[in-house]
Amino acid sequence: EVQLVESGGGLVQPGGSLRLSCAASGFTFSNYWMHWVRQARGKGLIWVSRINNDGSGTTYADSVRGRFTVSRDNAKNTLYLQMNSLRAEDTAVYFCAREGMLLGNAADYWGQGTLVTVSS
Amino acid sequence: SYELTQPPSVSVSPGQTASITCSGDKLGNKYACWYQQKPGQSPVLVIYQNAKRPSGIPERFSGSNSGNTATLTISGTQAMDEADYYCQAWDSSIVIFGGGTKLTVL
Repeated sequence: EVQLVESGGGLVQPGGSLRLSCAASGFTFSNYWMHWVRQARGKGLIWVSRINNDGSGTTYADSVRGRFTVSRDNAKNTLYLQMNSLRAEDTAVYFCAREGMLLGNAADYWGQGTLVTVSS
Repeated sequence: SYELTQPPSVSVSPGQTASITCSGDKLGNKYACWYQQKPGQSPVLVIYQNAKRPSGIPERFSGSNSGNTATLTISGTQAMDEADYYCQAWDSSIVIFGGGTKLTVL
């Protein structure tokens, strides 16, 4: 069974840092591109970042580029999101998602999300 | 930057057909997919590559994409289909989500 489990969320002050993790199981993690998507309370889905299967290629939304870094450790089956210079507007539930193969870039599995709150 | 536009809300009576649109410049030239999200839950993929259904998704869910508009159609809508629906596409290696549509079954 495919599972994605996020962790690392919490309360952080503006300007602070946080690292999110996404532990993957039930599939060959190193074969899949992965995404981070966030959702503020009561709002829509916002794409954050994507990393290719071997970690050599990454892309970011304009709103986080230069502040967030996505990475992965295929030996540990884990995806990461390093978030620096956090702002109040980064407050959201952060989901990791697997980009399915041959699905036209759709995400076929999502984690349950981890809440990040940026507040003083 | 590329944008996808969805109606904020759509209402449908049980058993009827619901259509949710997603508009974007030349969207028909891209692959569109759709997610269903119920309160407190993670999104679930219901349509990919414009019109394909993942395993486990009921046949009442269908999709199309042409011109500037992708459409998610739910035939014989059931109470359990009440949820938020998001379209998604790619543009220049960036993932774009529509703003979401709240489907109410009443």
